[in-house]
Formats: sequence, C-alpha cells, structure tokens
Amino acid sequence: EAQVTQNPRYLITVTGKKLTVTCSQNMNHEYMSWYRQDPGLGLRQIYYSMNVEVTDKGDVPEGYKVSRKEKRNFPLILESPSPNQTSLYFCASSYMDRDYEQYFGPGTRLTVT
Amino acid sequence: GESVGLHLPTLSVQEGDNSIINCAYSNSASDYFIWYKQESGKGPQFIIDIRSNMDKRQGQRVTVLLNKTVKHLSLQIAATQPGDSAVYFCAESGTGRRALTFGSGTRLQVQP
Repeated sequence: EAQVTQNPRYLITVTGKKLTVTCSQNMNHEYMSWYRQDPGLGLRQIYYSMNVEVTDKGDVPEGYKVSRKEKRNFPLILESPSPNQTSLYFCASSYMDRDYEQYFGPGTRLTVT
Repeated sequence: GESVGLHLPTLSVQEGDNSIINCAYSNSASDYFIWYKQESGKGPQFIIDIRSNMDKRQGQRVTVLLNKTVKHLSLQIAATQPGDSAVYFCAESGTGRRALTFGSGTRLQVQP
C-alpha cells in the first residue's frame, strides 16, 4: 500500500529534551516536506526537500532541523523543544512534476511541557 | 479524533444536497489551486486541482471553479454523503520551493 508513515503518532516531552519524528514514504517520491498545523493558523511549511541531500527552509523553520540521507526518509529533529512547538505535525511527499498533489502522513501530535 | 481549527467556518448540509465550499486566495502567481480534505484524526487528502489557466474542472462528484478576476476558488460536491463530512482546505501551489499555501479551512457537516 502506497503510504507516508510517521512515528511516533503521539509524544509528550519536556522543554529542552531532543527528539526526532520519523517520516518514511514508499512511493519513490523526490519531494518531501514537513508541515505543522495549529488552530487558526492552518498548515504551515517547516522544511522541504527536493531530493537526497537537498533540503531548504519553509515558512517556519526556526527550532527545527531535517536531513535527507535516503530518498524514502525525512526525519524532523527538534534539538531543544519549547512549548511553542506544541503542535500537530504532518509529513508529506510527492513527485516533483506533481508537487500540488502531496500525500500526507497521519500526523504526530507533539506536546512540549 | 484531532480537533484542529476550532474556529473554522462550518457548512451544514443535508445528505443528498449539493455543497459549495468557497475560498479566497491571495497569490495571483500561483500555478495550481488545489482542494484537500481532512477527516478527523487523519492527514489532508488531495481531492482535485485546477491549473491557473483554467476556470473549471470536474472530477467524480466534485467540480472546482476558479475566478481569477476576484481571486475566488470554489469546490462543489454533488449529492453530498455522510462520508464527505470533513474539513476542506483550499491551497495554492507556486513555483520555486513547491510549498503548498493552505487556507484556513471550512468544516462540512452532513446531516442524515
């Protein structure tokens, strides 16, 4: 089954404790992206990647890191999480020539206390 | 399920009626305009797209209309079903970094 998977689905952590949210897709998509979804603010892009070893900032990159060492994986790293990073996070992927049709993962609900 | 977008505008329709969801966009340079559906507890799901040089496109039970003069996009759902209950987002896709810029969303409630 073609899908984007994220882990964990739910995470409660404390301020400053480094964490990684994994994202994997099995559709051989070149493009991958991370979004956060907040009430009243909608979905905003954090980082994106157009191919292996190619990443760039989105609209709200502060406090986040990403890496793209393999085509299928695009982990999101929070080196020192803060309460304002409490949010619902989505990973998405697509083919480069159909970047408007993005496939989203199920989401990761992160709470930072 | 998740409850993002607590202050979303809501459209309530009867099962079997047609639904029209509207969206105003801001970036005239966008190449594509897209509609996504988000069910409770799930990620957004692509429904249909329309290229900026078109004004209408039809899919299965859905039609998207684009009015570039007033920067307005609409999604029409024919014979609305309970499974159509979800939050609907319009999005714009431009050139460059290929980000989707999402609107704030509309909650569609289908009454049986």
